[in-house]
This record gives sequence, structure tokens and C-alpha cells, in this order.
Amino acid sequence: NAGVTQTPKFQVLKTGQSMTLQCAQDMNHNSMYWYRQDPGMGLRLIYYSASEGTTDKGEVPNGYNVSRLNKREFSLRLESAAPSQTSVYFCASSEVKDTEAFFGQGTRLTVV
Amino acid sequence: QKEVEQDPGPLSVPEGAIVSLNCTYSNSAFQYFMWYRQYSRKGPELLMYTYSSGNKEDGRFTAQVDKSSKYISLFIRDSQPSDSATYLCARNDNAGNMLTFGGGTRLMVKP
Repeated sequence: NAGVTQTPKFQVLKTGQSMTLQCAQDMNHNSMYWYRQDPGMGLRLIYYSASEGTTDKGEVPNGYNVSRLNKREFSLRLESAAPSQTSVYFCASSEVKDTEAFFGQGTRLTVV
Repeated sequence: QKEVEQDPGPLSVPEGAIVSLNCTYSNSAFQYFMWYRQYSRKGPELLMYTYSSGNKEDGRFTAQVDKSSKYISLFIRDSQPSDSATYLCARNDNAGNMLTFGGGTRLMVKP
């Protein structure tokens, strides 16, 4: 029962470094999402992919890029990390757009 | 104003108590409502999914939607220490808008 798998689980970056967060789902879902979770702010949508081949901005897309590599995989890239991007990042998937979403375990990112 | 509002808590109750968690929303177009449970350092997991007004029951959990008041509630009967978690409500209007989450309410059930 893998569900949604995220890698890495933890990461520390220096300001200005780049990295890619990986996400894969094995539920044959069409839609995938990237959220960030900050204390007091709840879950905020960064980018989503309603179906393979499409991506769209969410509430807080600045500083991020995404790639829907295939139906299973959706990656999030930080080109030049900033301390404001210190957060917990969650990938999620759903059968169709904006129905019940299933989440990964999260990536704890610290930018120093 | 956020579209979905929750009291952040923490809400502390003794084991066995009935817990009421609440959410308000601002857009009357919302049709689908969900409750997620998130344990510390884990991803949210779907607890209940409800559509339109009324109640939906699943074991010790009851989700209630009052569209006239734009109010969503989650009731937990016979609360257990294992229910200690953050509870997030979410909404979807199935009209091209994104699934939006409230900030979550932290619940602590003390033995």
C-alpha cells in the first residue's frame, strides 16, 4: 500500500541552492497537487496538475516550478531557495480534480 | 478573510468526552466538504467526505453540514487519546475552484 510517496523526507538547503522534491502515486489518479504547510497558515496550494500533461498555479506559486513527468509522478522544483520557503511540503493525488485527496508523508525543508 | 475558517485551538478534553470541531466558510457555492485528520509529523488523511446538507455518520464520527449557516461540524463521540491530532476541514465547489483547507484545529484528548 504505497499510496503517495515523497522524497526526500528531510532536507536542509542554503539560500540560493536549488532542489527538486519528488512525488509518485500508485493509485492511477489523474490529479496531483503540491501544498505547503506553515504554522497558523494551514495547507496552501502551490501548483496542481489536473491531468497528465497539464499544470496550473495554485495560491502560492512564486519561487516554484513543477513538472508532471507522467501520470504517476509530479515534481516540485525550487530554483533558488529562500528562507521564506522553509516549510513542510505535501504532495497529494486524487482521482479527479478537487475530489478527496490522498497525501504523502511530507518533506520537511529548512532553508538557512 | 480566508474562505474556510477554523479555530486553531488547542482544544483539550478528557477521554470519553464528546468533541465538537467547527468550520465556517464564506462561499455558498461550496458543495463538497471533507474532514482530514493529521497526526503530528504525518500527512493529512481523509476522515470523512460529505456532500450537501445534513449528517453523515461513520462509527464514532459524525459530520454535519448546515448550508444555511455556512457551518460545518465534526462530532467525535467517546473520544480517545488516539484521537489527539489536528483536524482540517476542506471544501470544494466542483466548479473549477481548488480544494481549499482551513487552518486546522488541534485536539488533545487526555487519558
